[in-house]
Amino acid sequence: RKEVEQDPGPFNVPEGATVAFNCTYSNSASQSFFWYRQDCRKEPKLLMSVYSSGNEDGRFTAQLNRASQYISLLIRDSKLSDSATYLCVVNGYGQNFVFGPGTRLSVLP
Amino acid sequence: NAGVMQNPRHLVRRRGQEARLRCSPMKGHSHVYWYRQLPEEGLKFMVYLQKENIIDESGMPKERFSAEFPKEGPSILRIQQVVRGDSAAYFCASSPPAGVGTDTQYFGPGTRLTVL
Repeated sequence: RKEVEQDPGPFNVPEGATVAFNCTYSNSASQSFFWYRQDCRKEPKLLMSVYSSGNEDGRFTAQLNRASQYISLLIRDSKLSDSATYLCVVNGYGQNFVFGPGTRLSVLP
Repeated sequence: NAGVMQNPRHLVRRRGQEARLRCSPMKGHSHVYWYRQLPEEGLKFMVYLQKENIIDESGMPKERFSAEFPKEGPSILRIQQVVRGDSAAYFCASSPPAGVGTDTQYFGPGTRLTVL
């Protein structure tokens, strides 16, 4: 089993749609969790950290379920500019960052 | 506060030559990570360094690849005798010392290596 797994994608959704990405991790000792986005031929950029209580940033909501070792990202009212690959990142103890393979999102006009 | 800097942004080498990729972390960051991304593939961890120490090199190919992060100057990823399969984007990321604020990684713009 891979350390971090994500929905295979791609997701093709119309503008305005709500889309959810799922991520699971295998290391129960993982300490912190993040979502990054990566545009084509660009570097990954931090989208948001994921906290146990869940957190929201505008149209983006992230949730963490430690018991199930599961992280989610919800995007509401999708924009064309949301088209990108979304990377789930898990950090174990000692700065060991593990990236998931990514889920590609295409928001269509 | 300048972000993570990488140079060169683009590098072209012929088979058998050496490639040197440089990464300057964000100010105050003492951890550097190198990743490789092949076209249409995900990020693959290569190596994690702190100043003058290699902490985890489990993702580094056993031959031809080496990395360093000297006391002074940028981190260097060195690829000797490059082959066509080394063509990829190489990203560097940095993070602050553990326990100092967030443990988030910040990425540089990457170096795109093309081997002819």
